[in-house]
Amino acid sequence: LAKTTQPISMDSYEGQEVNITCSHNNIATNDYITWYQQFPSQGPRFIIQGYKTKVTNEVASLFIPADRKSSTLSLPRVSLSDTAVYYCLVGPRDTGRRALTFGSGTRLQVQP
Amino acid sequence: ETGVTQSPTHLIKTRGQQVTLRCSSQSGHNTVSWYQQALGQGPQFIFQYYREEENGRGNFPPRFSGLQFPNYSSELNVNALELDDSALYLCASSHQGPDTQYFGPGTRLTVL
Repeated sequence: LAKTTQPISMDSYEGQEVNITCSHNNIATNDYITWYQQFPSQGPRFIIQGYKTKVTNEVASLFIPADRKSSTLSLPRVSLSDTAVYYCLVGPRDTGRRALTFGSGTRLQVQP
Repeated sequence: ETGVTQSPTHLIKTRGQQVTLRCSSQSGHNTVSWYQQALGQGPQFIFQYYREEENGRGNFPPRFSGLQFPNYSSELNVNALELDDSALYLCASSHQGPDTQYFGPGTRLTVL
């Protein structure tokens, strides 16, 4: 499984755009990049998944350069409720049938 | 459609005791995965059940065991509890395929 590296923590203010970068230098050809969000005392929640270039949904955007050795989760105009831990996972697309491998994640603190 | 539910929400045990945690999967899901999350760490995969059979196991000792029932609900049993077993235990349900895993709120186990 590809190892991922993320910043331990980040701070932001309400209304700002937040970009969290994840490094995954040994990503395999068939690996996808998936991001989860976890609030205190809750289970992780799927945010977004992508393979290359750019993916956007109603919550976030995911930017993946051509070499796929890193990815950036972009949260537009964060609010206090975006304070959470964000995990970057790399692995095959069929996450429903596989063990998810979480690192320590990035703890995002949004301040007023 | 109901989401993943877990019971109990909190539990306190003493060393050497046994504990059973329960999980009801999301409607229509046939796969249940269990994770252990220590404080400040990402979730660690314990095992997965698919159609009542164990379908993969992480690096956990045999005193961690599980069951899946015909209605796809599941139990996690831990024997001979140790202090290090204190953690948030998360259950996730899914289909066998590209769909993501949907996590429950977890059971907070404290071993004294």
